[in-house]
Amino acid sequence: QKEVEQNSGPLSVPEGAIASLNCTYSDRGSQSFFWYRQYSGKSPELIMFIYSNGDKEDGRFTAQLNKASQYVSLLIRDSQPSDSATYLCASRRSSARQLTFGSGTQLTVLP
Amino acid sequence: DTAVSQTPKYLVTQMGNDKSIKCEQNLGHDTMYWYKQDSKKFLKIMFSYNNKELIINETVPNRFSPKSPDKAHLNLHINSLELGDSAVYFCASSQDGAHTEAFFGQGTRLTVV
Repeated sequence: QKEVEQNSGPLSVPEGAIASLNCTYSDRGSQSFFWYRQYSGKSPELIMFIYSNGDKEDGRFTAQLNKASQYVSLLIRDSQPSDSATYLCASRRSSARQLTFGSGTQLTVLP
Repeated sequence: DTAVSQTPKYLVTQMGNDKSIKCEQNLGHDTMYWYKQDSKKFLKIMFSYNNKELIINETVPNRFSPKSPDKAHLNLHINSLELGDSAVYFCASSQDGAHTEAFFGQGTRLTVV
């Protein structure tokens, strides 16, 4: 079992819709969770991080964390074609420096 | 100013050759990493250095050897390259702290032919 699991997709949503990306993790020692966006041929760039249960909002993005159920999600409101990318979920143990990544979900926003 | 920079961006080489990838960060971070991303986009940690000291050495062939001359640089040397080494290699850095993220370089696409 991978430590961080994501549906690989592809996930397609129409422009203006809400895109919902999900991630589960197996290591209960994970304390922080990160969502990275990676355009094709580019490096991952951080969108949001979350470490407390509940929701965290930043513009069109909302990260949700439920430690009891061991899942993390990212909602993208008013999706734009420019949001089309692979979204990587990552976790980090409090005792570790490195991030553990899932395999990513490919999102396509259709104009 | 590029925060984490890697060279080269593309590397095409023959099986059996030895090659190096260089990485530098100007963020003042204490920890640097090498990640490997395969064709399915899975990013896997290979090595991590903290203040020039190796702290993570995942199960990678010993043909891969990282070197950190100072905390701003982390290079990756690969001996006797194999076809299966073809991937994108990302250097990253982070500051110490409970919830700090990693910043990634632009990646080096290695193709072994």
